[in-house]
Amino acid sequence: KAGVTQTPRYLIKTRGQQVTLSCSPISGHRSVSWYQQTPGQGLQFLFEYFSETQRNKGNFPGRFSGRQFSNSRSEMNVSTLELGDSALYLCASSYVEGARGAFFGQGTRLTVV
Amino acid sequence: ILNVEQSPQSLHVQEGDSTNFTCSFPSSNFYALHWYRWETAKSPEALFVMTLNGDEKKKGRISATLNTKEGYSYLYIKGSQPEDSATYLCALSHGSSNTGKLIFGQGTTLQVKP
Repeated sequence: KAGVTQTPRYLIKTRGQQVTLSCSPISGHRSVSWYQQTPGQGLQFLFEYFSETQRNKGNFPGRFSGRQFSNSRSEMNVSTLELGDSALYLCASSYVEGARGAFFGQGTRLTVV
Repeated sequence: ILNVEQSPQSLHVQEGDSTNFTCSFPSSNFYALHWYRWETAKSPEALFVMTLNGDEKKKGRISATLNTKEGYSYLYIKGSQPEDSATYLCALSHGSSNTGKLIFGQGTTLQVKP
Protein backbone atom coordinates (compact mmCIF):
# COMPACT_ATOMS: atom_id res chain seq x y z
CA LYS A 1 0.00 0.00 0.00
CA ALA A 2 1.51 3.33 -1.02
CA GLY A 3 2.15 5.81 1.77
CA VAL A 4 1.26 9.47 1.98
CA THR A 5 2.90 11.38 -0.85
CA GLN A 6 3.74 15.05 -0.70
CA THR A 7 4.99 17.15 -3.58
CA PRO A 8 7.20 18.95 -4.06
CA ARG A 9 9.76 17.94 -1.44
CA TYR A 10 11.62 21.24 -1.56
CA LEU A 11 10.57 24.69 -2.63
CA ILE A 12 12.17 28.12 -2.62
CA LYS A 13 9.91 31.12 -3.04
CA THR A 14 10.27 34.86 -2.80
CA ARG A 15 8.49 36.96 -0.20
CA GLY A 16 5.11 38.07 -1.50
CA GLN A 17 4.62 35.12 -3.83
CA GLN A 18 2.12 32.36 -3.29
CA VAL A 19 2.69 28.60 -3.14
CA THR A 20 0.64 25.44 -3.49
CA LEU A 21 1.61 22.17 -1.85
CA SER A 22 0.04 18.83 -2.66
CA CYS A 23 -0.74 15.75 -0.60
CA SER A 24 -1.99 12.36 -1.81
CA PRO A 25 -3.31 10.29 1.10
CA ILE A 26 -3.19 6.55 1.63
CA SER A 27 -5.91 4.82 -0.35
CA GLY A 28 -9.09 4.62 1.73
CA HIS A 29 -8.16 7.46 4.05
CA ARG A 30 -10.69 10.27 3.80
CA SER A 31 -9.25 12.69 6.34
CA VAL A 32 -6.23 14.83 5.46
CA SER A 33 -4.61 17.19 7.95
CA TRP A 34 -1.80 19.69 7.49
CA TYR A 35 0.87 20.69 10.00
CA GLN A 36 3.65 23.25 10.10
CA GLN A 37 6.96 22.83 11.85
CA THR A 38 9.27 25.81 12.28
CA PRO A 39 12.65 25.77 14.06
CA GLY A 40 12.13 25.48 17.79
CA GLN A 41 8.41 24.78 17.44
CA GLY A 42 6.54 21.55 17.61
CA LEU A 43 4.14 20.46 14.93
CA GLN A 44 1.39 23.05 14.69
CA PHE A 45 -2.01 22.03 13.30
CA LEU A 46 -3.11 24.06 10.28
CA PHE A 47 -6.38 22.46 9.17
CA GLU A 48 -8.15 19.21 8.43
CA TYR A 49 -10.22 18.28 5.42
CA PHE A 50 -12.77 15.51 5.25
CA SER A 51 -15.17 14.83 2.38
CA GLU A 52 -13.97 17.95 0.59
CA THR A 53 -14.90 20.14 3.58
CA GLN A 54 -12.70 21.83 6.13
CA ARG A 55 -13.60 20.16 9.42
CA ASN A 56 -11.06 21.72 11.78
CA LYS A 57 -8.89 24.80 11.63
CA GLY A 58 -5.84 25.82 13.63
CA ASN A 59 -4.77 29.27 14.64
CA PHE A 60 -3.21 30.51 11.41
CA PRO A 61 -3.94 33.62 9.34
CA GLY A 62 -6.26 33.52 6.36
CA ARG A 63 -3.26 33.48 4.01
CA PHE A 64 -3.18 29.75 4.70
CA SER A 65 -5.92 27.87 2.93
CA GLY A 66 -6.57 24.43 1.59
CA ARG A 67 -8.93 22.23 -0.28
CA GLN A 68 -9.68 18.58 -0.81
CA PHE A 69 -10.74 16.87 -3.98
CA SER A 70 -13.22 14.04 -4.47
CA ASN A 71 -10.37 11.49 -4.54
CA SER A 72 -9.27 12.79 -1.09
CA ARG A 73 -6.12 14.43 -2.45
CA SER A 74 -5.51 17.75 -0.77
CA GLU A 75 -3.72 20.96 -1.58
CA MET A 76 -2.55 23.69 0.72
CA ASN A 77 -2.03 27.24 -0.45
CA VAL A 78 -0.13 30.05 1.19
CA SER A 79 -0.56 33.50 -0.32
CA THR A 80 1.60 36.59 0.14
CA LEU A 81 4.48 34.59 1.56
CA GLU A 82 6.41 35.95 4.52
CA LEU A 83 9.89 35.00 5.70
CA GLY A 84 8.31 33.40 8.77
CA ASP A 85 6.43 30.94 6.57
CA SER A 86 9.70 29.10 5.97
CA ALA A 87 9.01 25.72 7.50
CA LEU A 88 8.49 22.03 6.99
CA TYR A 89 4.88 21.35 6.01
CA LEU A 90 3.60 17.87 6.75
CA CYS A 91 0.38 16.31 5.76
CA ALA A 92 -1.20 13.32 7.44
CA SER A 93 -4.03 11.05 6.36
CA SER A 94 -6.23 8.85 8.49
CA TYR A 95 -9.36 6.77 8.59
CA VAL A 96 -12.33 8.54 10.08
CA GLU A 97 -13.67 5.59 12.04
CA GLY A 98 -12.05 4.91 15.38
CA ALA A 99 -8.76 6.15 16.78
CA ARG A 100 -6.40 4.41 14.38
CA GLY A 101 -3.74 7.05 14.14
CA ALA A 102 -2.55 9.28 11.35
CA PHE A 103 0.08 8.50 8.72
CA PHE A 104 2.44 11.24 7.66
CA GLY A 105 4.13 12.14 4.43
CA GLN A 106 7.77 13.17 4.29
CA GLY A 107 6.88 16.82 4.07
CA THR A 108 7.59 19.81 1.88
CA ARG A 109 10.44 22.04 2.97
CA LEU A 110 9.49 25.61 2.04
CA THR A 111 12.09 28.35 2.13
CA VAL A 112 10.98 31.94 1.65
CA VAL A 113 13.73 34.38 0.68
CA ILE B 1 -5.56 26.72 24.49
CA LEU B 2 -4.76 23.04 24.90
CA ASN B 3 -1.18 22.31 25.84
CA VAL B 4 0.68 19.01 25.57
CA GLU B 5 3.96 18.89 27.48
CA GLN B 6 6.79 16.41 27.02
CA SER B 7 9.79 15.84 29.22
CA PRO B 8 12.67 15.69 29.10
CA GLN B 9 13.36 17.80 26.02
CA SER B 10 16.40 15.66 25.18
CA LEU B 11 18.13 12.60 26.49
CA HIS B 12 21.53 11.02 25.88
CA VAL B 13 21.92 7.39 26.95
CA GLN B 14 24.36 4.56 26.40
CA GLU B 15 23.47 1.53 24.34
CA GLY B 16 21.72 -0.98 26.57
CA ASP B 17 20.26 1.59 28.96
CA SER B 18 16.53 1.65 29.52
CA THR B 19 14.79 4.99 29.42
CA ASN B 20 11.40 6.60 29.68
CA PHE B 21 9.71 9.82 28.66
CA THR B 22 6.63 11.62 29.91
CA CYS B 23 3.75 13.24 28.08
CA SER B 24 1.29 15.42 30.05
CA PHE B 25 -2.03 16.61 28.67
CA PRO B 26 -5.32 18.09 29.88
CA SER B 27 -7.58 15.24 30.97
CA SER B 28 -10.88 16.89 30.04
CA ASN B 29 -12.49 15.96 26.73
CA PHE B 30 -9.90 13.26 26.11
CA TYR B 31 -10.32 11.06 23.03
CA ALA B 32 -6.95 9.43 22.28
CA LEU B 33 -3.22 9.76 22.89
CA HIS B 34 -0.77 9.02 20.10
CA TRP B 35 2.97 8.33 20.19
CA TYR B 36 5.16 8.86 17.14
CA ARG B 37 8.83 8.28 16.39
CA TRP B 38 10.43 10.78 14.04
CA GLU B 39 13.83 10.04 12.59
CA THR B 40 15.79 12.69 10.74
CA ALA B 41 14.83 13.03 7.07
CA LYS B 42 11.91 10.61 7.46
CA SER B 43 8.21 10.98 8.17
CA PRO B 44 6.85 10.59 11.69
CA GLU B 45 6.03 6.94 12.28
CA ALA B 46 3.05 5.96 14.42
CA LEU B 47 3.99 3.82 17.43
CA PHE B 48 0.84 3.62 19.51
CA VAL B 49 -2.69 4.96 19.79
CA MET B 50 -4.26 4.63 23.22
CA THR B 51 -7.80 5.51 24.19
CA LEU B 52 -8.66 3.91 27.54
CA ASN B 53 -7.44 4.78 31.01
CA GLY B 54 -4.94 2.14 32.05
CA ASP B 55 -4.12 1.16 28.45
CA GLU B 56 -0.75 -0.44 27.99
CA LYS B 57 0.73 -1.05 24.55
CA LYS B 58 3.93 -2.81 23.53
CA LYS B 59 5.93 -3.03 20.32
CA GLY B 60 9.18 -4.92 20.67
CA ARG B 61 11.32 -3.11 23.23
CA ILE B 62 9.03 -0.08 23.33
CA SER B 63 5.96 0.17 25.52
CA ALA B 64 3.57 2.89 26.64
CA THR B 65 1.05 3.44 29.39
CA LEU B 66 -1.86 5.84 29.71
CA ASN B 67 -3.52 7.58 32.65
CA THR B 68 -6.40 9.70 31.38
CA LYS B 69 -7.64 10.69 34.85
CA GLU B 70 -4.43 12.47 35.78
CA GLY B 71 -3.48 13.33 32.20
CA TYR B 72 -0.19 11.61 31.50
CA SER B 73 1.39 8.90 29.41
CA TYR B 74 4.79 7.24 29.69
CA LEU B 75 6.87 5.78 26.88
CA TYR B 76 9.49 3.21 27.85
CA ILE B 77 12.38 1.89 25.80
CA LYS B 78 14.09 -1.18 27.20
CA GLY B 79 17.74 -1.79 26.28
CA SER B 80 18.14 1.23 23.99
CA GLN B 81 19.92 0.69 20.69
CA PRO B 82 21.55 3.30 18.41
CA GLU B 83 18.71 2.82 15.94
CA ASP B 84 16.29 4.09 18.61
CA SER B 85 17.85 7.54 18.23
CA ALA B 86 15.00 9.79 17.12
CA THR B 87 12.55 12.38 18.35
CA TYR B 88 9.56 10.89 20.14
CA LEU B 89 6.35 12.87 19.89
CA CYS B 90 3.11 12.49 21.73
CA ALA B 91 -0.11 13.96 20.37
CA LEU B 92 -3.57 14.43 21.80
CA SER B 93 -6.90 13.88 20.09
CA HIS B 94 -9.64 15.55 22.07
CA GLY B 95 -13.36 15.91 21.74
CA SER B 96 -16.25 13.52 21.40
CA SER B 97 -15.26 11.85 18.17
CA ASN B 98 -12.25 11.01 16.09
CA THR B 99 -10.95 13.80 13.89
CA GLY B 100 -7.64 14.35 12.17
CA LYS B 101 -6.68 17.21 14.48
CA LEU B 102 -3.73 16.29 16.68
CA ILE B 103 -2.14 18.54 19.27
CA PHE B 104 1.53 17.71 19.52
CA GLY B 105 4.02 18.11 22.31
CA GLN B 106 7.46 19.53 21.56
CA GLY B 107 9.00 16.07 21.54
CA THR B 108 11.80 14.29 23.36
CA THR B 109 14.97 13.81 21.33
CA LEU B 110 16.79 10.61 22.23
CA GLN B 111 20.43 10.01 21.35
CA VAL B 112 21.75 6.49 22.00
CA LYS B 113 25.53 6.18 22.01
CA PRO B 114 27.09 2.86 20.96
